[in-house]
Amino acid sequence: NAGVMQNPRHLVRRRGQEARLRCSPMKGHSHVYWYRQLPEEGLKFMVYLQKENIIDESGMPKERFSAEFPKEGPSILRIQQVVRGDSAAYFCASSPLAGGDEQFFGPGTRLTVL
Amino acid sequence: QQQVKQSPQSLIVQKGGIPIINCAYENTAFDYFPWYQQFPGKGPALLIAIRPDVSEKKEGRFTISFNKSAKQFSLHIMDSQPGDSATYFCAASSGGATNKLIFGTGTLLAVQP
Repeated sequence: NAGVMQNPRHLVRRRGQEARLRCSPMKGHSHVYWYRQLPEEGLKFMVYLQKENIIDESGMPKERFSAEFPKEGPSILRIQQVVRGDSAAYFCASSPLAGGDEQFFGPGTRLTVL
Repeated sequence: QQQVKQSPQSLIVQKGGIPIINCAYENTAFDYFPWYQQFPGKGPALLIAIRPDVSEKKEGRFTISFNKSAKQFSLHIMDSQPGDSATYFCAASSGGATNKLIFGTGTLLAVQP
């Protein structure tokens, strides 16, 4: 049973480009969370999605960031017009239940903005 | 009020020692308190978790102690090994429709042989 998969593992973008981060939840999980980890800091919640629905985006920056979880395919976190301050590790977690306690994390995507 | 405060920031123990990591919270709506272990370049992995209806939970060498009145909880690692060297994060959530995790800032543990 494969765990949460994220790709790419490392992503380098120049300022102003777009970054697309993908997350495939564990088999049977239909709930996805995105967290951001800045250097030397803990993880910060960004958004919680179920299939085709954004349930809670209270942690998402108001501009340039968006997320989706389509009926088919992985969840996507999109960052438009990246800036240096977006450099961080972005982690996806999945859960089998709505509001379920256990969240299983992927290996993360490390975004570097030059 | 959404914060979870974690200490110490870093910790060095000798093999066989018992490192203790502490967390404190303010939000009394929190009802789930997990600990995650993270190795460099990896995602966090759930280690052990507790709910406020118990004061202690043990799984293998890992023990959570929970003090509801003080709004504090801690992780103890018995007979620590060099392989336990990692960053440890406490977290909390208040359930509901979202159940988002609020993380502490992490403790970098080094267990020396």
